[in-house]
Amino acid sequence: GAVVSQHPSWVICKSGTSVKIECRSLDFQATTMFWYRQFPKQSLMLMATSNEGSKATYEQGVEKDKFLINHASLTLSTLTVTSAHPEDSSFYICSAREGTGNPKNIQYFGAGTRLSVL
Amino acid sequence: AQSVTQPDIHITVSEGASLELRCNYSYGATPYLFWYVQSPGQGLQLLLKYFSGDTLVQGIKGFEAEFKRSQSSFNLRKPSVHWSDAAEYFCAVGAPGAGTALIFGKGTTLSVSS
Repeated sequence: GAVVSQHPSWVICKSGTSVKIECRSLDFQATTMFWYRQFPKQSLMLMATSNEGSKATYEQGVEKDKFLINHASLTLSTLTVTSAHPEDSSFYICSAREGTGNPKNIQYFGAGTRLSVL
Repeated sequence: AQSVTQPDIHITVSEGASLELRCNYSYGATPYLFWYVQSPGQGLQLLLKYFSGDTLVQGIKGFEAEFKRSQSSFNLRKPSVHWSDAAEYFCAVGAPGAGTALIFGKGTTLSVSS
């Protein structure tokens, strides 16, 4: 089956530093990847849609200058949390939509990244 | 507005008993429907999906779900629950033919008692 690798799985950083999270589709190409944020005991909240070769589309209320998304290839999207603060601590999950012409919108998820900002 | 409702926040089932997790959706047309499972600290694993055709779909780990258009529901079932099924379950809807993000319900936590 389709595999999405997300790295790192857990990161602890100091307040004010930046953290990069990688999302890779290992055995398929994905023109579209999604970044979600999940708070404890809550559902996934879509942060942004990442399209290969173009700018990401951010959801309302998500600061694009704080959460930088780059989708430089068909298998890699990165999320950089810039100048992280404790309120950015959360579980971040990416998903990748299989196929460049996938009509069925099947998405496969990474294992998530736990970010803790001290 | 498009939305997914999972009415049950937390369900406890005895091991070996049957399970049904409810999911209702609000959508302009017939969407694609999904059930995902999430173990603590992990990402989401796709259990099953419905696109069209037979309204009873089979998934992995012995799960099945039935799409009922008249009730806008897509309930997840399993005839006999195992302790390893304890996890968070999310129902999601997606737009057919479009590269849009999925809309998730708030999830149902399943606990399995021995």
